[in-house]
Amino acid sequence: LAKTTQPISMDSYEGQEVNITCSHNNIATNDYITWYQQFPSQGPRFIIQGYKTKVTNEVASLFIPADRKSSTLSLPRVSLSDTAVYYCLVGGNQGGKLIFGQGTELSVKP
Amino acid sequence: GAVVSQHPSWVICKSGTSVKIECRSLDFQATTMFWYRQFPKQSLMLMATSNEGSKATYEQGVEKDKFLINHASLTLSTLTVTSAHPEDSSFYICSARDPLAGFTDTQYFGPGTRLTVL
Repeated sequence: LAKTTQPISMDSYEGQEVNITCSHNNIATNDYITWYQQFPSQGPRFIIQGYKTKVTNEVASLFIPADRKSSTLSLPRVSLSDTAVYYCLVGGNQGGKLIFGQGTELSVKP
Repeated sequence: GAVVSQHPSWVICKSGTSVKIECRSLDFQATTMFWYRQFPKQSLMLMATSNEGSKATYEQGVEKDKFLINHASLTLSTLTVTSAHPEDSSFYICSARDPLAGFTDTQYFGPGTRLTVL
């Protein structure tokens, strides 16, 4: 399973766009990239998943360069409620096993 | 979206007793469920993979005789912490993989169970 590296923490202000980059240099050909959000004392919540190029849904965008060795989660116009830990995970169709890294603790200030 | 529930949401028990935590997939059938443990200010640590109708697969360093996992149906997996001790106090989270989901290997997580052992 590919190891991921993310910034430990990030600060932002309400209304700003936040970009969190994850490095996964050893990503395998059949690996997908998935991002989860976790609030304190709650289980992680699926945000977005992609394989290459760009994926967008109602809450975020995921940018993946051609070499797929990194990915960037983009949160448009964050609010205080986006304060959470964001995890980047890499894995393929291998039975679902996910290994969580440290995650990025995002703090949104008023 | 897929919903996973856990029960209880929190439990306090005395040292030496056993505690059972249930994990249910409410609107889909999960052939595979996972159990994680999370200590304060730390990431989730995978404990074991639970497959319906077969023995669980434990991660290295996780005592299978202490953390008993049963996956008797496609919607229910249980984790029993046997002879619990204060160091077992943690946040236990389960997840379930929906094989019919549009995304590959997407796991849906339960809300977690806070275990406190006195």
